Amino acid sequence: AQTVTQSQPEMSVQEAETVTLSCTYDTSESDYYLFWYKQPPSRQMILVIRQEAYKQQNATENRFSVNFQKAAKSFSLKISDSQLGDAAMYFCAYRSLTTSGTYKYIFGTGTRLKVLA
Amino acid sequence: DAGVTQSPTHLIKTRGQQVTLRCSPKSGHDTVSWYQQALGQGPQFIFQYYEEEERQRGNFPDRFSGHQFPNYSSELNVNALLLGDSALYLCASSLVFREPYNEQFFGPGTRLTVL
Repeated sequence: AQTVTQSQPEMSVQEAETVTLSCTYDTSESDYYLFWYKQPPSRQMILVIRQEAYKQQNATENRFSVNFQKAAKSFSLKISDSQLGDAAMYFCAYRSLTTSGTYKYIFGTGTRLKVLA
Repeated sequence: DAGVTQSPTHLIKTRGQQVTLRCSPKSGHDTVSWYQQALGQGPQFIFQYYEEEERQRGNFPDRFSGHQFPNYSSELNVNALLLGDSALYLCASSLVFREPYNEQFFGPGTRLTVL
């Protein structure tokens, strides 16, 4: 079974600086998708960025980028030029194919990001 | 374009009671998944509905059951509530055959408190 591990319960960053959130996963599949979700106090899960395992190029979305190391099964999120609005819980997720042919997501335990003014 | 909606927002029940949570998927989506998020934890997959049938189930007891209606909306029912059922319940919708992403869109959740 696939597992997702986030070893940093909490991180802090100064406004305008860069922070990296870590995520490791375990799987026997060769083709899969990984995601980072943001959950602000409003509770709404918001997709930040996605990565397809068969693509070697790291995904980038504006100030958000990932460092995807497939062999090491590592998927870290880098936030550049941090803003106060980036403060939230961040979850790493693995998209798992179910036996019925649909997909479910397996989430890590999350990292709480604090942005200091 | 309305996103995923859930009702109610908050709910307080006592042990042993039964509860029903509701979810309307994003317009055009046909698959609904339910997740339980305990305080300080990541969401845990409960089950998934497609074509009005439960297609996949996570490691949750039979006290957790669901239903999907012809309009794709869904209900989550929990019987004989336990204190440990207190959590945020998230609904996510997707379009099952939309490759490659099959992205799930999440609702705002229902906060259930069991006293």
